[in-house]
Amino acid sequence: RKEVEQDPGPFNVPEGATVAFNCTYSNSASQSFFWYRQDCRKEPKLLMSVYSSGNEDGRFTAQLNRASQYISLLIRDSKLSDSATYLCVVDTNSGYALNFGKGTSLLVTP
Amino acid sequence: ETGVTQSPTHLIKTRGQQVTLRCSSQSGHNTVSWYQQALGQGPQFIFQYYREEENGRGNFPPRFSGLQFPNYSSELNVNALELDDSALYLCASSLLQGGDLVAKNIQYFGAGTRLSVL
Repeated sequence: RKEVEQDPGPFNVPEGATVAFNCTYSNSASQSFFWYRQDCRKEPKLLMSVYSSGNEDGRFTAQLNRASQYISLLIRDSKLSDSATYLCVVDTNSGYALNFGKGTSLLVTP
Repeated sequence: ETGVTQSPTHLIKTRGQQVTLRCSSQSGHNTVSWYQQALGQGPQFIFQYYREEENGRGNFPPRFSGLQFPNYSSELNVNALELDDSALYLCASSLLQGGDLVAKNIQYFGAGTRLSVL
């Protein structure tokens, strides 16, 4: 079983739509959780950290369910510029390594 | 921009050759991690350097080695290149203080080096 598993995608949605990505992780001792965004042939960029209480940043909402070892990202009012690959990232509780999911591709169309 | 810089941006090598990739960490950061990202996959952790020593290692063979310098910059060396080593190599910097990663291990990535092995 992979350490971090994500929806396979791709997700094709029209502008203005709401889209949700899901992710599960296997290491119950993990302490830090993130969503990174990666544009084609570019580096991953931190989108947001994910906290137990859930957190929101503008149109983006992240949720963490430790009991189910499940993380989600909700994007409201999708923009063309949201088109990218979204990577679910979980620390290994080692203090150094991050485990990345394979990523979910989002394409927002006019 | 993250302030993490990597060089070169692209590199073409042949099987059996050796390669050195370089990374300058973000100002104020003291830890560098290296990742390998194959096409269509998420980044895979190679190793991390802190205080000029390897601080942790992923599932990569010994022909992947590294260095960290007093200014916190780092090198990744790969010997005896194989075709499967073709990938995007990413460097990420972070801040470690008192044995604990600050800001819950948030790592900032450079633009990467795209290595092609022929």
